[in-house]
Amino acid sequence: DSGVTQTPKHLITATGQRVTLRCSPRSGDLSVYWYQQSLDQGLQFLIQYYNGEERAKGNILERFSAQQFPDLHSELNLSSLELGDSALYFCASSARGTSGMNEQFFGPGTRLTVL
Amino acid sequence: AQSVTQLGSHVSVSEGALVLLRCNYSSSVPPYLFWYVQYPNQGLQLLLKYTSAATLVKGINGFEAEFKKSETSFHLTKPSAHMSDAAEYFCAVSVGNEKLTFGTGTRLTIIP
Repeated sequence: DSGVTQTPKHLITATGQRVTLRCSPRSGDLSVYWYQQSLDQGLQFLIQYYNGEERAKGNILERFSAQQFPDLHSELNLSSLELGDSALYFCASSARGTSGMNEQFFGPGTRLTVL
Repeated sequence: AQSVTQLGSHVSVSEGALVLLRCNYSSSVPPYLFWYVQYPNQGLQLLLKYTSAATLVKGINGFEAEFKKSETSFHLTKPSAHMSDAAEYFCAVSVGNEKLTFGTGTRLTIIP
C-alpha cells in the first residue's frame, strides 16, 4: 500500500460525458501527478500540481483539467469523453516539487471505460 | 527532451535463471533513472533509483541496476528469477524537475 488513494476504482461511462477522478496523496506529500496508461500510448505524464499550484504540464488534452485543493487532494476532470480516452489513470505523489530524484508513490489507478 | 527505450516488450526466463531487462536513455544532462514494477491490477511500485550517488544501485526484491554513462544504459538484473517476479517493468527518466518519462514497459514471464 503506497498511501495514495484513488476513487473510483472503475468508471464506465458514455461518449460525450464528463467524469471526475479523485486522488488523495500520501500524508505530508505536497506534489500530485496524473498519468494516463493506455495500450497504444503507454504511460504518459499529464500534469503536476505542487501545493495547490500547477507545476508542470505534459500531454494533457484541452478537454482534461485538474486541480489541487487546500487539503492537497486532487481531481482530474475529463469532459467530452471519446472512446480513445479509455485508459488507466494513475495519480502519484511525492514530498517535494523541485527535484527529479524524489520518489513518486503511485495509487492503484482508476480504470475508465468509455462506451 | 529526455527519452527511454526498453528493448524487448516481452521477456521469458526460467525460474532460477538470470533476469536481464534492458533500458537505454537519452538525455542532454545527467539524468535520474528509475525502475518501477507493476503487478496485475495494481499501481506502480519503485524498485530502485539512480541519483548519481553510486553507479550500481540495489533495490527491493533482489533487483539491481547499473548506470553506464558510456552506453547510456540502466539495465535491470536479478541473479535468480522467482515466480513472484512475473510483472511488467518500466524504466523511467527524470531530468531537473519531477516529470517522469516512461519506457514502453517489459512484461516478464517466469517459466516454472
